[in-house]
Amino acid sequence: QLQLQESGPGLVKPSETLSLTCTVSGGSISSSSYYWGWIRQPPGKGLEWIGSIYYSGSTYYNPSLKSRVTISVDTSKNQFSLKLSSVTAADTAVYYCARRQDATGWFDPWGQGTLVTVSS
Amino acid sequence: DIQMTQSPSSLSASVGDRVTITCQASQDISNYLNWYQQKPGKAPKLLIYDASNLETGVPSRFSGSGSGTDFTFTISSLQPEDIATYYCQQYDNLTWTFGQGTKVEIK
Repeated sequence: QLQLQESGPGLVKPSETLSLTCTVSGGSISSSSYYWGWIRQPPGKGLEWIGSIYYSGSTYYNPSLKSRVTISVDTSKNQFSLKLSSVTAADTAVYYCARRQDATGWFDPWGQGTLVTVSS
Repeated sequence: DIQMTQSPSSLSASVGDRVTITCQASQDISNYLNWYQQKPGKAPKLLIYDASNLETGVPSRFSGSGSGTDFTFTISSLQPEDIATYYCQQYDNLTWTFGQGTKVEIK
């Protein structure tokens, strides 16, 4: 059974870079059938897609975040990562990683999520 | 960018009631519309994909319909375990957008 687990600092200072990693277990991140994505949810609010990556490194980003986002993949560790630069309090959210099958538009499964707070 | 308008933002219904949630896209998205259930403190769970297809293992009281710009999600008989927030999500032209969510409570 495929499982995803987010990890990274729970507290980031304003103007710094948020860095998270998603570790995939129970399956290979190098499968040609899947994309891997990041979605976030500010406390008490809705969901926002951040971006997605293919094992080859091909990426798609939310246009509203594109200038600050970098998603990368490490196939040797079966992991993919998110970097969000110049963070502000508005970036405080639960960050989820999830899988998307190629040629489809839905995310399944999801990681459990990790709360990142931006505060000095 | 395609915008998704989901309504209502919240609803209260009795056990056994039929519950309907709508989602409207700002432009034609064919059937590229999915529905998720999110319980407090948990990650979203896929229920319906491509507008009307029930994900494996999801109870048949959940259903979806629609195409183009107007979509509907229905719980045919509300159960206590269905208390959650429900989100629609579209995908088009390499972007993915969620609706604002509908919080479903028991009356």
